Amino acid sequence: QKEVEQDPGPLSVPEGAIVSLNCTYSNSAFQYFMWYRQYSRKGPELLMYTYSSGNKEDGRFTAQVDKSSKYISLFIRDSQPSDSATYLCAMIPMEYGNKLVFGAGTILRVKS
Amino acid sequence: DGGITQSPKYLFRKEGQNVTLSCEQNLNHDAMYWYRQDPGQGLRLIYYSQIVNDFQKGDIAEGYSVSREKKESFPLTVTSAQKNPTAFYLCASDRGMNTEAFFGQGTRLTVV
Repeated sequence: QKEVEQDPGPLSVPEGAIVSLNCTYSNSAFQYFMWYRQYSRKGPELLMYTYSSGNKEDGRFTAQVDKSSKYISLFIRDSQPSDSATYLCAMIPMEYGNKLVFGAGTILRVKS
Repeated sequence: DGGITQSPKYLFRKEGQNVTLSCEQNLNHDAMYWYRQDPGQGLRLIYYSQIVNDFQKGDIAEGYSVSREKKESFPLTVTSAQKNPTAFYLCASDRGMNTEAFFGQGTRLTVV
């Protein structure tokens, strides 16, 4: 079993839809969580960084962390075709210092 | 303009050759990382360095080597011992413990 599970998709939605992207994890030592967006043939771009259970909002993006269920989500409101990309979740386990552990990424396609 | 610069963007390697991928950052970050990305597998850690003149193996270090002689530079050599080097290579850096990582734009290596 992988430490971080993420549905690879692809997830196809119409423009304007609310998108929900999710990751589950097995290691309760994970304390810091990140979401990255990666366009084709580009490096990942940091979208959200959080370390608390609950919600964190930034513009159209909301990151949600539920440590008791070992589950994190990224919500995208009013999705746009420019949001079409691969979304990677990443987390840091305390006992390994600052080594990020990544999910496999979810491919999102927003259709106009 | 702060950031992480990877070069070259595309690299072709003949069988039996060693090649070196460059990564430079001007963010004054202490830690630097090399990841390999293959389709459907997410990012896998090759090597990381948390301080100058020190580095540790990641999950898939075999066939790779690194050096960290300067804070801003962390080159990766793909040796002939790496049997399947064709992949997208990403360099990242961060300020240290539990901080968010930032990525370069990647180098696509192809064996010809």
